[in-house]
Amino acid sequence: EIVLTQSPGTLSLSPGERATLSCRASQSISNIYLAWYQQKPGQTPRLLIFGTSSRATGISDRFSGSGSGTDFTLTISGLEPEDFAVYYCQQFSGSPYTFGQGTKLEIK
Amino acid sequence: QVQLQESGPGLVKPSETLSLTCSVSGDSITSNHWWTWVRQAPGKGLEWIAGIYHNGTPLYNSSLKSRVALSADKSKNQFSLKLSSVTAADTALYYCVRMGFYWFDSWGQGTLVTVSS
Repeated sequence: EIVLTQSPGTLSLSPGERATLSCRASQSISNIYLAWYQQKPGQTPRLLIFGTSSRATGISDRFSGSGSGTDFTLTISGLEPEDFAVYYCQQFSGSPYTFGQGTKLEIK
Repeated sequence: QVQLQESGPGLVKPSETLSLTCSVSGDSITSNHWWTWVRQAPGKGLEWIAGIYHNGTPLYNSSLKSRVALSADKSKNQFSLKLSSVTAADTALYYCVRMGFYWFDSWGQGTLVTVSS
């Protein structure tokens, strides 16, 4: 099973700042197999990024993904109030399709 | 636009079987997708349970495989999950989700299932 470890667990930033969220895989995975989701309290997860760096339909260009091998990053530039949420990475390199434990992005 | 809606009992007794159905609209479960189940325990992260391909091929999370069964009803455009021998650890919000190539692009609203006597 591929374990995804997200860091930090909680990230406290102010609106307008830049957020950098990390996702580290226990073994190397191809870029096409890494996705990111946003989940706000009481809401369903929403697909943000697939294939490491491709934005899903309707996702702001303030969201960008990068990385390769075992290290992947979600960057959110110019934080807006609606961006404060929990973010999960997920891998599809092998079954089970595991998620990271999440990074909570909170307002400082 | 595809929509998924979970249905089933909100309360299941320990050792019994949890049964959920996902009704799909705006897409056919015979289209080229995996139709999957994900759960989220209260205050916790996301766990992929299993999926069924449009041709009926199932794929299970190995940690749950011995207790999970999936099925699909093409005539009703629905797919279903059965999880047997449930315990309190199976209490969670259960989502049905459509899988694109390598992403989960459409989620149901989720249904809370509580395991309690």
